[in-house]
Amino acid sequence: DGGITQSPKYLFRKEGQNVTLSCEQNLNHDAMYWYRQDPGQGLRLIYYSQIVNDFQKGDIAEGYSVSREKKESFPLTVTSAQKNPTAFYLCASSMRVQETQYFGPGTRLLVL
Amino acid sequence: SQQGEEDPQALSIQEGENATMNCSYKTSINNLQWYRQNSGRGLVHLILIRSNEREKHSGRLRVTLDTSKKSSSLLITASRAADTASYFCATREYGGATNKLIFGTGTLLAVQP
Repeated sequence: DGGITQSPKYLFRKEGQNVTLSCEQNLNHDAMYWYRQDPGQGLRLIYYSQIVNDFQKGDIAEGYSVSREKKESFPLTVTSAQKNPTAFYLCASSMRVQETQYFGPGTRLLVL
Repeated sequence: SQQGEEDPQALSIQEGENATMNCSYKTSINNLQWYRQNSGRGLVHLILIRSNEREKHSGRLRVTLDTSKKSSSLLITASRAADTASYFCATREYGGATNKLIFGTGTLLAVQP
């Protein structure tokens, strides 16, 4: 899991509620990523950020939002517009976008 | 859609045996990477092979890449119970505009002690 932390490990969301997943890295990496993993599936890219104050949509950005105000932090908000949020969310970082990605331990989001 | 497709979806072997997993992809790539994921955990990078390389070794891991067939294989030799995990290939498209990795659906490896 390296120098990337995600919190919380488990998160419960009520209907209509926005929730924010935390991702912090102390690797001095420029690029950070959020992925969603559904059971028995590979990872799908939600958002990524190449540098502070910049981020780009991935393949499944609808219903999610991010910010990158600090190099170390890339929080992901799952909004009420995301109708099927139950999944395992993984954050990753890399020195630069083209380089090897290092993953955090993940947050499992469940809907009540 | 996922570019990488792993085969088989699941594999069960005895400790000490070799395990081979295959990955196929669709477009031209810059590199291909293999990751391991233990149940309920994040992914761990195992090895990267560039498009101009054909074979690469790292400890008990051997990766091959055949760009003409758009396929790669991961061989784990002398497997151990601790190798039990899901293994994913991920490709980076050559000249891709979005600078992203595309992950396959994974192979679940179970090594029986």
